[in-house]
Amino acid sequence: RKEVEQDPGPFNVPEGATVAFNCTYSNSASQSFFWYRQDCRKEPKLLMSVYSSGNEDGRFTAQLNRASQYISLLIRDSKLSDSATYLCVVIWFSGGYNKLIFGAGTRLAVHP
Amino acid sequence: DVKVTQSSRYLVKRTGEKVFLECVQDMDHENMFWYRQDPGLGLRLIYFSYDVKMKEKGDIPEGYSVSREKKERFSLILESASTNQTSMYLCASSLAGGGEKLFFGSGTQLSVL
Repeated sequence: RKEVEQDPGPFNVPEGATVAFNCTYSNSASQSFFWYRQDCRKEPKLLMSVYSSGNEDGRFTAQLNRASQYISLLIRDSKLSDSATYLCVVIWFSGGYNKLIFGAGTRLAVHP
Repeated sequence: DVKVTQSSRYLVKRTGEKVFLECVQDMDHENMFWYRQDPGLGLRLIYFSYDVKMKEKGDIPEGYSVSREKKERFSLILESASTNQTSMYLCASSLAGGGEKLFFGSGTQLSVL
């Protein structure tokens, strides 16, 4: 089993739709969680952190479910510019340092 | 804005060649990382460094080495390139204690023929 797993997609949605991605992780001692966004042929960029109580940034909502060991990203009112690959990142402490594990990413394609 | 610069966007090398990938960051970050990204596998950590002249192996260090002689520069070396090292290589940096917010370079697509 991979340490961090994501549905690769693609998720094809029309503009204005609401779409949600999940990301499961295997290490129950994981401490921190993040979503990164990667546009086609570009580098990943931090989208948002994921807090235990859930957090929102405009149209984006991130949630954490520790009991079931997954994080989620909800995008409301999708825009064409949201088309990208979304990477989840899970961090746990191992071997004396914080270990960042990236998921393979979920591809989102928003169409007119 | 933080800038992380990788020396080449595309690189084509032959099997057995020694390959140097250079990365420079301009924000005085302590931490620097080298990842490779392959379809379906995500980003995998090759090596990282938390200080000058310091290096630690990541998850897939075999066939690679690194050098960090100056704080702003982190080099990845493929001692003898092989075809299975064809990949996108991404350098990243972060502040000490802020390891979760990584700033990435634009990547080097390496093809080994």
